[in-house]
Amino acid sequence: GPKVLQIPSHQIIDMGQMVTLNCDPVSNHLYFYWYKQILGQQMEFLVNFYNGKVMEKSKLFKDQFSVERPDGSYFTLKIQPTALEDSAVYFCASSLEGQRGSDYTFGSGTRLLVI
Amino acid sequence: GDQVEQSPSALSLHEGTGSALRCNFTTTMRAVQWFQQNSRGSLINLFYLASGTKENGRLKSTFNSKESYSTLHIRDAQLEDSGTYFCAVVNTGNYKYVFGAGTRLKVIA
Repeated sequence: GPKVLQIPSHQIIDMGQMVTLNCDPVSNHLYFYWYKQILGQQMEFLVNFYNGKVMEKSKLFKDQFSVERPDGSYFTLKIQPTALEDSAVYFCASSLEGQRGSDYTFGSGTRLLVI
Repeated sequence: GDQVEQSPSALSLHEGTGSALRCNFTTTMRAVQWFQQNSRGSLINLFYLASGTKENGRLKSTFNSKESYSTLHIRDAQLEDSGTYFCAVVNTGNYKYVFGAGTRLKVIA
């Protein structure tokens, strides 16, 4: 079936540096999402994105976080500067319809380690 | 906020046996999606339901929006079924799934 690709699969970065996580969503999908998972625990919603804008963000989406999808390219999550507590697996997802409902397709995640 | 509870939190099954995983939510939800997270951490989409029941091989899922729960039935469990099973629900007027804490399933020979 259609896939969401996440690049890179792993990233190690020094605290305070900037990191960009890339997501290539399913080609005809319109809604995009980032989730954070720490140590195989609960999946926590970070942000959703539609038509070039953030629709909703959670308390976990700190001021150091930003998302964009310039000209239909990768949907990115940027963290600047990174902190130790940002270490987690970040999952990107996309869906065709947001409110009226359709399933989400998730990527395989980017494992981020901030040292 | 929306609350999603999964039970049991952990489960061991012998190969060939089966069980039901439960997902309870606090308000009426528009849809539920079930995922398996395998040992590599990848999320595998199992079912998306806006109502009723779906079946796929040894798995079956039901969604009862009136009584605010969903179930995932596994029969004839195999070793590769081991992993964490998450349900995620979405409310009307909402653009995000809220995940439960998961059920950790271990299938033993």
